[in-house]
Amino acid sequence: AQSVTQPDIHITVSEGASLELRCNYSYGATPYLFWYVQSPGQGLQLLLKYFSGDTLVQGIKGFEAEFKRSQSSFNLRKPSVHWSDAAEYFCAVIVFMDTGRRALTFGSGTRLQVQP
Amino acid sequence: DTGVSQNPRHKITKRGQNVTFRCDPISEHNRLYWYRQTLGQGPEFLTYFQNEAQLEKSRLLSDRFSAERPKGSFSTLEIQRTEQGDSAMYLCASSLVSAGAGDIQYFGAGTRLSVL
Repeated sequence: AQSVTQPDIHITVSEGASLELRCNYSYGATPYLFWYVQSPGQGLQLLLKYFSGDTLVQGIKGFEAEFKRSQSSFNLRKPSVHWSDAAEYFCAVIVFMDTGRRALTFGSGTRLQVQP
Repeated sequence: DTGVSQNPRHKITKRGQNVTFRCDPISEHNRLYWYRQTLGQGPEFLTYFQNEAQLEKSRLLSDRFSAERPKGSFSTLEIQRTEQGDSAMYLCASSLVSAGAGDIQYFGAGTRLSVL
């Protein structure tokens, strides 16, 4: 079965430091990959996506992610974290269901805390 | 375009009562998804509509749950005879899928259900 693993439940970084959030997926083919961010009490906001092409994708708020097929990974990075980046981050994969339709499978999330 | 709208934002109910949530997708989006998110977890797929047709239901969706999308616009999710285990955030997402385009899902802020 398809799955998404975010090995880090909680990460704390200092403001201005660099950030990398890990995501690994288990899927037979190259999936569509997404990173979403969720602030407390809010829905999910799309940060970036990868469908095909250049394996380094740029997103909003200065985030980027790199798709590495050999490692089945899609790690999220930011060179300098801001206090407003504190939130929960979810990696997600489009999976194709029996009917051929598609839904998102999410990882369990990584909570980012930013220290002043 | 005001994004995906969900009402109510919060619902507190007693065990055994019925509840109904509403989702208004982004206009002209042809797909609508329902997800459930429990504390500390990523969202889990519940069900999905293409226009007014409900095309897929997760095993998570027990017989007490029913969803509709009359006329292919807004959708409702009803839970009958609520149980404490139904307490969660219920998220709605919509997307516009056409030939050659990827499936980018945009989420509402969710309805948080608390069953006492």
